[in-house]
Amino acid sequence: QKEVEQDPGPLSVPEGAIVSLNCTYSNSAFQYFMWYRQYSRKGPELLMYTYSSGNKEDGRFTAQVDKSSKYISLFIRDSQPSDSATYLCAMRQGWGERQLTFGSGTQLTVLP
Amino acid sequence: EPEVTQTPSHQVTQMGQEVILRCVPISNHLYFYWYRQILGQKVEFLVSFYNNEISEKSEIFDDQFSVERPDGSNFTLKIRSTKLEDSAMYFCASRGTGAYEQYFGPGTRLTVT
Repeated sequence: QKEVEQDPGPLSVPEGAIVSLNCTYSNSAFQYFMWYRQYSRKGPELLMYTYSSGNKEDGRFTAQVDKSSKYISLFIRDSQPSDSATYLCAMRQGWGERQLTFGSGTQLTVLP
Repeated sequence: EPEVTQTPSHQVTQMGQEVILRCVPISNHLYFYWYRQILGQKVEFLVSFYNNEISEKSEIFDDQFSVERPDGSNFTLKIRSTKLEDSAMYFCASRGTGAYEQYFGPGTRLTVT
């Protein structure tokens, strides 16, 4: 079983739609959860970060973490063509200088 | 807004040659990382670096790889004898004290021929 699983898509939605992106994980030691956006051949850009279970909202983006189900989500409201990118979930254990473990990424296209 | 920078953006080298990839982390960050992404695959952790020493490294980070902070601003990844399978995007990341989120640079695309 992979440590972090993410549906690779591709996911195609019309402009203005609500997008739901998800990751599941197997390692219960993960405590810190991040979502990155990556445009083709560019570096991952940090979108959201959360600690432990709960919701966090930032503009059109909402991150949810359910540690009991080992499931995290990113919701994008009022999606725009500029949101078209690959979305990567990432997570890490504990404190200190710990590595990130990434999902494989979901490719999203928002159609005008 | 502060950002991580990396040079060069693209490096082409022949198999067996040494390459050095350079990164300038965000200025007040103390934790530094290298990741790589082979085309079409996941971003994979290589190494983390703090207080002038390696904190963690993955199985990928074998004796052919080394990292260095030669001065107060640069952070480098050296591959001593490149192999074809080293072809990938290499990303540098940094993190501030008291934070857990990592900020990534734009990457260096390494092509080994």
